[in-house]
Amino acid sequence: DAKTTQPTSMDCAEGRAANLPCNHSTISGNEYVYWYRQIHSQGPQYIIHGLKNNETNEMASLIITEDRKSSTLILPHATLRDTAVYYCIVRPSGGSNYKLTFGKGTLLTVNP
Amino acid sequence: GAGVSQSPSNKVTEKGKDVELRCDPISGHTALYWYRQSLGQGLEFLIYFQGNSAPDKSGLPSDRFSAERTGGSVSTLTIQRTQQEDSAVYLCASSLLAGVVTGELFFGEGSRLTVL
Repeated sequence: DAKTTQPTSMDCAEGRAANLPCNHSTISGNEYVYWYRQIHSQGPQYIIHGLKNNETNEMASLIITEDRKSSTLILPHATLRDTAVYYCIVRPSGGSNYKLTFGKGTLLTVNP
Repeated sequence: GAGVSQSPSNKVTEKGKDVELRCDPISGHTALYWYRQSLGQGLEFLIYFQGNSAPDKSGLPSDRFSAERTGGSVSTLTIQRTQQEDSAVYLCASSLLAGVVTGELFFGEGSRLTVL
């Protein structure tokens, strides 16, 4: 399975954009990039996913580089409630594509 | 219910006792997953169900751990002869379909197990 590398922690000011990077240099052509987040004492929550093109939904934007070796999750206007651990995951293809492997993620702290 | 429901939310037990953790997935979701999260760690995959069958049990840490799913709905994770290292939050998730690359997992709030 393709591994991901994320910074351990990041800080962001409330109201500013939070840009969370993720490296996945061993990703293969048909593997998707997923982002989940986990607010303290809660279960993880799906944010967004993508394959090649940039994606946007009501929660965030996902920018994937052309070579697909890295991506950035963007929270356009971070709020205090966005403080959470953010997990970048490469979803396997083929028969194991049900299996999401969560690393340690990035602890994003949004400061007032 | 609207989301994945897990019970109990907290369980304190003595070493050597058996515990059962329950998961009620979202109605209609065919895939169900159990994960474990130890303090300060990421999520560790335990087992995956498609319907009532478990094609992947590879994450169960020992034969003291077992899980079943009945009626394609409720699942129970059983830990026999609990040990202190079993202390963790046990998270259940469900998805509408498995084997679909875009299937989103919906997680419950977890069951926090403390083994004294």
